[in-house]
Amino acid sequence: AQRVTQPEKLLSVFKGAPVELKCNYSYSGSPELFWYVQYSRQRLQLLLRHISRESIKGFTADLNKGETSFHLKKPFAQEEDSAMYYCALLHQGGSEKLVFGKGTKLTVNP
Amino acid sequence: NAGVTQTPKFQVLKTGQSMTLQCAQDMNHEYMSWYRQDPGMGLRLIHYSVGAGITDQGEVPNGYNVSRSTTEDFPLRLLSAAPSQTSVYFCASRSRTEDYNEQFFGPGTRLTVL
Repeated sequence: AQRVTQPEKLLSVFKGAPVELKCNYSYSGSPELFWYVQYSRQRLQLLLRHISRESIKGFTADLNKGETSFHLKKPFAQEEDSAMYYCALLHQGGSEKLVFGKGTKLTVNP
Repeated sequence: NAGVTQTPKFQVLKTGQSMTLQCAQDMNHEYMSWYRQDPGMGLRLIHYSVGAGITDQGEVPNGYNVSRSTTEDFPLRLLSAAPSQTSVYFCASRSRTEDYNEQFFGPGTRLTVL
């Protein structure tokens, strides 16, 4: 069964420090993975997706099929990065379900 | 475009009451989904639809019904509300044909069951 695991419920860093939010997945097919972000009192929005290999707001994420991971990284965290981050996996070829991890709450301290 | 809209924003129910959470999208998206968000549990898929007239169960479907009579609307019905259904509910939609499979979310409905 497909599963997304985000091992850290909470992550706290200081402004300017590097940040890495971990995401591991289990999926038998070729995964399509995403990171979504939810800022305080706002709706969830797409941050980035692995197939586009883009950098958004300084964040990057690389799909590592060997380690079944899709960690989100940023070299220098900013206070405005404080938010809830969700890793998600799209189950393709049939059900088309988008399944989310439990989320990591990132706090960037001044 | 208004995107994905949800009504109401807040709702308080008594145990045993029924109600319908409304969701609409104006982007002509084929796929629509309902999630509930609970502290420590993340987002869990309740029901989803790949097109008008087609629905399927997600991870936590019990106690909820859905229907998809039009492309635009995907209401979620609570048949007999229970305190365990206290949660924030998000509706989302996605295009089947556009690249990158971005899912768009509504603003959420905060439901309290007493």
